[in-house]
Amino acid sequence: DQQVKQNSPSLSVQEGRISILNCDYTNSMFDYFLWYKKYPAEGPTFLISISSIKDKNEDGRFTVFLNKSAKHLSLHIVPSQPGDSAVYFCAASGLSNTGKLIFGQGTTLQVKP
Amino acid sequence: EAGVAQSPRYKIIEKRQSVAFWCNPISGHATLYWYQQILGQGPKLLIQFQNNGVVDDSQLPKDRFSAERLKGVDSTLKIQPAKLEDSAVYLCASSLDPGLREQFFGPGTRLTVL
Repeated sequence: DQQVKQNSPSLSVQEGRISILNCDYTNSMFDYFLWYKKYPAEGPTFLISISSIKDKNEDGRFTVFLNKSAKHLSLHIVPSQPGDSAVYFCAASGLSNTGKLIFGQGTTLQVKP
Repeated sequence: EAGVAQSPRYKIIEKRQSVAFWCNPISGHATLYWYQQILGQGPKLLIQFQNNGVVDDSQLPKDRFSAERLKGVDSTLKIQPAKLEDSAVYLCASSLDPGLREQFFGPGTRLTVL
């Protein structure tokens, strides 16, 4: 039972253009969503998050949009840079008060110079 | 501030052998998590500690996996005996407390079971 899904395994964009990574979830009880970035041989690092009471959160080049009715969130990176090439994981929490995160499968982003 | 430390970084064992992983969380972080990440999948929570008590171990295969955090600081995860399907990256993460959703991850231990 995959409660958090990232249906695109990979994405390739040109440097300077926009990258859009998508994530869908099935459980309406999730109330907090996070994006993590992972380079090879390193652990995931926190990138940006959004609470379910908001529909947008922005941090520099990164913006996360949340559409609760569609149970969908997306991460926009503008402009994309070669250093953004990594695996991006969407994660959701809120099913319990333990802070447990449910992760998607990840999307590999390649930004071409 | 030092990050989450894990060792070893890589481990290769034969099936039916045992293996142990070590994690030292960020200083002051009361909550510690162990995740299993199989190739091509996202991290899956195995066990969560709050100080030295277990909060959630619902997805830990308890017939072969065990974990402890005796003094509420560092933690060990053990697999005994290992199976081929245990090949994965084992990630340790920590947070100040469960209410703070952001978790900080270590570099992971890549386990290969032959």
